[in-house]
This record gives sequence, structure tokens and C-alpha cells, in this order.
Amino acid sequence: NAGVTQTPKFQVLKTGQSMTLQCAQDMNHEYMSWYRQDPGMGLRLIHYSVGAGITDQGEVPNGYNVSRSTTEDFPLRLLSAAPSQTSVYFCASSGEGTTEAFFGQGTRLTVV
Amino acid sequence: DAKTTQPTSMDCAEGRAANLPCNHSTISGNEYVYWYRQIHSQGPQYIIHGLKNNETNEMASLIITEDRKSSTLILPHATLRDTAVYYCIAVHSGNTPLVFGKGTRLSVIA
Repeated sequence: NAGVTQTPKFQVLKTGQSMTLQCAQDMNHEYMSWYRQDPGMGLRLIHYSVGAGITDQGEVPNGYNVSRSTTEDFPLRLLSAAPSQTSVYFCASSGEGTTEAFFGQGTRLTVV
Repeated sequence: DAKTTQPTSMDCAEGRAANLPCNHSTISGNEYVYWYRQIHSQGPQYIIHGLKNNETNEMASLIITEDRKSSTLILPHATLRDTAVYYCIAVHSGNTPLVFGKGTRLSVIA
């Protein structure tokens, strides 16, 4: 049981490049979300999904797209990377009811 | 979801109990109090949650005041590995997206 798997673990992008951060969970969880964490700060919600085909914006969605075509996967797309998107990105999933959220180990992204 | 307030940092001697307070004075009747911790930039880890009653698991105890306006997370015998940032979050259910504040940075000292 792998839990929440994020790939890649590290990435360096040039300004203007696009890329997709992958997130997969094998716990059949309906709820998934993406956060970013800047140095010395708490986690901020980017986008979340309450099930396949359903997504919604969090507090900092600009510059990011998501889709949820399957229960297992919730990719985060950076359309045109900017230095302000340098951060650590975390994906999380949770099941029905008052259950705990499981987090991946993060993707460390640097935009130069 | 209700806003929570936590001290910025705390120290605790190894082997002693660590008591981490959280204020959530605007919490509504159907909001749960969740605690997570983040060790050295790893992904956050769930610790415990509760609604009204005190809760205990293998990691910690959660004490919620009768008026539910505040709570305390207790790590009964803190170890160096408990050094982390601890987040207290009030949410309507486990499936509501979590909104993180800045948390309390706990330093366990040998």
C-alpha cells in the first residue's frame, strides 16, 4: 500500500516552461487536494477535488490547472512557470467521513 | 471554517509532556478539531481529531474545553523525533479541504 505518491521529487524549470506534477493514491479516496508551501510558511490550498470529474479552486489557484479523470490521479499543471511558483508542492487525499488526510512527500520546484 | 490561534513556538524537555494549546473561539457546533504535524518539510502527518469529548490514541491526547473554544494537544513523553511544526485546524468534516495556519514550532530539547 503506497499511500499518496508524488512525482517528481525535485524539478527545475525555466521561466515560461510548462509541466505537470503528478499525484496518485491507491486508497480509493474520493477527496484530493494540492497545496504549496513557501519557505517558513504554512501550506496554502491551490485546488481540490471531491471526486472524479469534480474540481474546485482553493485560495491560490492562479497559474495552475487541475483535472480529475480517475479516482486515483490528480495532476497539477503549471501553464507557464514563473519564479513566484518556486515552492514545495504537496498532494493530499482523504476518504469519506471524519477521516484523516494523507499527504505525499512533496515536489520541490524551482523556477529560474 | 473557524480560525485557530496557536503560539508561534514552544520548547519542551525530552521525556516531559508537551502541551500545545489552540484557541478556536468561533468554532461552530459541527466543526471538528484536527491536529497535524510536519517534521522537517516532510508531508504533514495526521495526529488526532475530536468534536466534543477528549480523545487519546497511540500518538497523543486531545483535551477540548467544555465550551469548545480551545483545546490542548498533549504528547505525553516528548522525544527528539517530536520536534516539528504542529497545526491545529477546525473543519466541518474530514473531507473539507484543510486550511493551514502557521502552526506551533515545537522544539524538544535533550
